[in-house]
Amino acid sequence: GAVVSQHPSRVICKSGTSVKIECRSLDFQATTMFWYRQFPKQSLMLMATSNEGSKATYEQGVEKDKFLINHASLTLSTLTVTSAHPEDSSFYICSAKTRASYEQYFGPGTRLTVT
Amino acid sequence: SQQGEEDPQALSIQEGENATMNCSYKTSINNLQWYRQNSGRGLVHLILIRSNEREKHSGRLRVTLDTSKKSSSLLITASRAADTASYFCATEAITQGGSEKLVFGKGTKLTVNP
Repeated sequence: GAVVSQHPSRVICKSGTSVKIECRSLDFQATTMFWYRQFPKQSLMLMATSNEGSKATYEQGVEKDKFLINHASLTLSTLTVTSAHPEDSSFYICSAKTRASYEQYFGPGTRLTVT
Repeated sequence: SQQGEEDPQALSIQEGENATMNCSYKTSINNLQWYRQNSGRGLVHLILIRSNEREKHSGRLRVTLDTSKKSSSLLITASRAADTASYFCATEAITQGGSEKLVFGKGTKLTVNP
């Protein structure tokens, strides 16, 4: 149990376009979902926390208008990278947890390349 | 900012040997968690140790916690090539919105050579 999926696993887009990444909890209801960004050979940096039905809370330095997060249901959160630029190229990972558990369940990640 | 700091940054050992990774943190914690990440993949939770625990075992994993030194160690015994991965410690913090979040260390890249 506790499976989190992400789609797509890899995406290549042109500079200036927008890309949407989906994160789904497949067999549990996630009250909280997290979006992380990971640069090569580095650790995960939390971008934002989203609770179902409410606005996401962004970490300091993360542009809300550039990284749009929607947590419309207890099983789905989306991250949209708007007007993508090459510097947005990165590995984006989501995780999900329930209110009752300390553990975060991570998706497999999405590799975004902006050309 | 990243609270956890692992060392070494990279570790290369032979199959069958033990691997020890260390993590230091800066603030008070309720618990400390260790995660594993295979290259280009998401993270998998390995083990959680609470602040009132000093040692915890799970299979070939042994985690210690020293709250006085604000440090933890992860020991993998009898390592296998399949243990090759990056290992991260993580501590909890509170987001601006009041939710709990994990703050990850920089990780240790472990390579187990067959």
